[in-house]
Amino acid sequence: DAKTTQPPSMDCAEGRAANLPCNHSTISGNEYVYWYRQIHSQGPQYIIHGLKNNETNEMASLIITEDRKSSTLILPHATLRDTAVYYCIVSLTGANNLFFGTGTRLTVIP
Amino acid sequence: EPEVTQTPSHQVTQMGQEVILRCVPISNHLYFYWYRQILGQKVEFLVSFYNNEISEKSEIFDDQFSVERPDGSNFTLKIRSTKLEDSAMYFCASRDLTTGGPEAFFGQGTRLTVV
Repeated sequence: DAKTTQPPSMDCAEGRAANLPCNHSTISGNEYVYWYRQIHSQGPQYIIHGLKNNETNEMASLIITEDRKSSTLILPHATLRDTAVYYCIVSLTGANNLFFGTGTRLTVIP
Repeated sequence: EPEVTQTPSHQVTQMGQEVILRCVPISNHLYFYWYRQILGQKVEFLVSFYNNEISEKSEIFDDQFSVERPDGSNFTLKIRSTKLEDSAMYFCASRDLTTGGPEAFFGQGTRLTVV
């Protein structure tokens, strides 16, 4: 079962940073935070993951609070193609399965 | 870039018929998954598969469902006697978890419509 809480929807102006919050107050010490997104009805797409340190890749940045009870996914310059449902998932790394919640529907507005 | 491929992209079947959904995971991946998404709902875990056996399955994955890796490349999901409520998008995913990262790669899905 999903152990995260996300706002159901957010809007962001094109070209601006999109900051998507996620609460995971019951996260355990060895669980990672993963972010995926689903554009329309396509298969989910991996974005980024982290344990305790902030992470950055070519798609996004992940900021995890010091107590690890929440995190924020940052898309630095949102484009119309970033309109999607974004899922925050906590899971042990390894073979453990990913359980998707309802996510945040991000709409990038021209 | 390597990708997970699923066939067919859309399948229509009559209630009570058997269907087989096919997936070709990324070649060096060892962990395989099936998920489904009923229209307008969330992505639901069905089953995970490693070392030629099921490692975990959800309550959805009842006796009507089975998975198989018949050869070194394909990973299939069979539904023996389809019901109307089986209509959904079915996604296959694979992960490396050894030399690669922990991210799961998903296929583009098969839309199953049971009539």
